[in-house]
Amino acid sequence: DTEVTQTPKHLVMGMTNKKSLKCEQHMGHRAMYWYKQKAKKPPELMFVYSYEKLSINESVPSRFSPECPNSSLLNLHLHALQPEDSALYLCASSPRQGDSVKNSPLHFGNGTRLTVT
Amino acid sequence: AQSVTQLGSHVSVSEGALVLLRCNYSSSVPPYLFWYVQYPNQGLQLLLKYTSAATLVKGINGFEAEFKKSETSFHLTKPSAHMSDAAEYFCAVRNTGTASKLTFGTGTRLQVTL
Repeated sequence: DTEVTQTPKHLVMGMTNKKSLKCEQHMGHRAMYWYKQKAKKPPELMFVYSYEKLSINESVPSRFSPECPNSSLLNLHLHALQPEDSALYLCASSPRQGDSVKNSPLHFGNGTRLTVT
Repeated sequence: AQSVTQLGSHVSVSEGALVLLRCNYSSSVPPYLFWYVQYPNQGLQLLLKYTSAATLVKGINGFEAEFKKSETSFHLTKPSAHMSDAAEYFCAVRNTGTASKLTFGTGTRLQVTL
């Protein structure tokens, strides 16, 4: 069982739809992450939140909009996606960022498999 | 930025044989290294991490990795492969600084045959 919960597990959406991915953790972690993973590729970082503030945006298109309402929740709002955005979207958390916790691993959820038609 | 290189996108071993998955890092300072495993249709699970306390790191499921500074390597091994070890394995490095993002290698798919 994973301590990071992602919903939904699967999502199919059209290019004009608006949908949201949800991630939740109750480990008291203060850093949360969104990664995108295409088939047979490693995960690629999209966003990092630290203490509920966006700290890293890896030049992600604006059709992806992250939100961190509180320290336990992380959302990814999707709008006007393209078929090439189909992928596994992984959420992760870690205690916090910074030099004091560099050897702290990320804890991953099982992901949301997104298909854009 | 620091990076890791995984040699071999696909490794096949017989059940009971030694597993060796290679990872080399590029860093002039002590890196923070991790090995993750991903089973089909699942997220990533931490196998082990290098903390600088010991060069030989033991992880879950019988895996271990040895940090060799002279070779800039952090290879993953398991003495005897099991069918359940078939999965994708990723080496990763945590970059220093306040960003502290985790960057993955390209991954190695381990196949275990009877």
